[in-house]
Amino acid sequence: QVQLQESGPGLVKPSETLSLTCTVSGGSISNFYWSWIRQPPGKGLEWIGWVYYSGGTSYNPSLKSRLTISVDTSRNQFSLKLSSVTAADTAVYYCARYETMTEKALDIWGQGTMVTVSS
Amino acid sequence: QSALTQPASVSGSPGQSITISCTGTSSDVGNYNYVSWYQQHPGKAPKLMIYDVNDRPSGVSHRFSGSKSGNTASLTISGLQAEDEADYYCYSFSTRVSYVFGTGTKVTVL
Repeated sequence: QVQLQESGPGLVKPSETLSLTCTVSGGSISNFYWSWIRQPPGKGLEWIGWVYYSGGTSYNPSLKSRLTISVDTSRNQFSLKLSSVTAADTAVYYCARYETMTEKALDIWGQGTMVTVSS
Repeated sequence: QSALTQPASVSGSPGQSITISCTGTSSDVGNYNYVSWYQQHPGKAPKLMIYDVNDRPSGVSHRFSGSKSGNTASLTISGLQAEDEADYYCYSFSTRVSYVFGTGTKVTVL
């Protein structure tokens, strides 16, 4: 079955760029929408954005100026880059897939990766 | 961006039914049947429980059901079990911000 795995640095310095990759295994990245979600420690979920396999994107307006989400179909991966990070960007970052029926719900999630922003 | 509003906590005894509300606006919950619900146990990734207001993915217990009235969606858990103790989040398509999560509800089984 399809599985997602986030990877990237667990510690990022303030003002630098946070970069994460989600690797899709057990299935193709094609013909799906893919998303990033984050959860600060002890807080709720926040939608970050989505990318379609063909490269189209949609971003959370509160993050849009700092955010880039891209896809690499040859590697079956999609990525997140968040620039000028601060302590407020410290969170568990999840990648997820939108289901195929209406493409509006997230049916498969990665296990999440903790990213801490600190000097 | 404003999150959808959920009660901070809901509790019930084993075997009882509980309902979690999720209040949005006409830009999201009120005008679109794209509300989904997620269960999250501590330290774990969220799990899809309900999509498109009231559809259940394969493998999810029939004790979980969803509904919507106006700008408020609801998740009902029937026959509450100890394993249902978790955080629950609603999530909706939004014309304003593309997608938005609810504030989250902690369910406690007494």
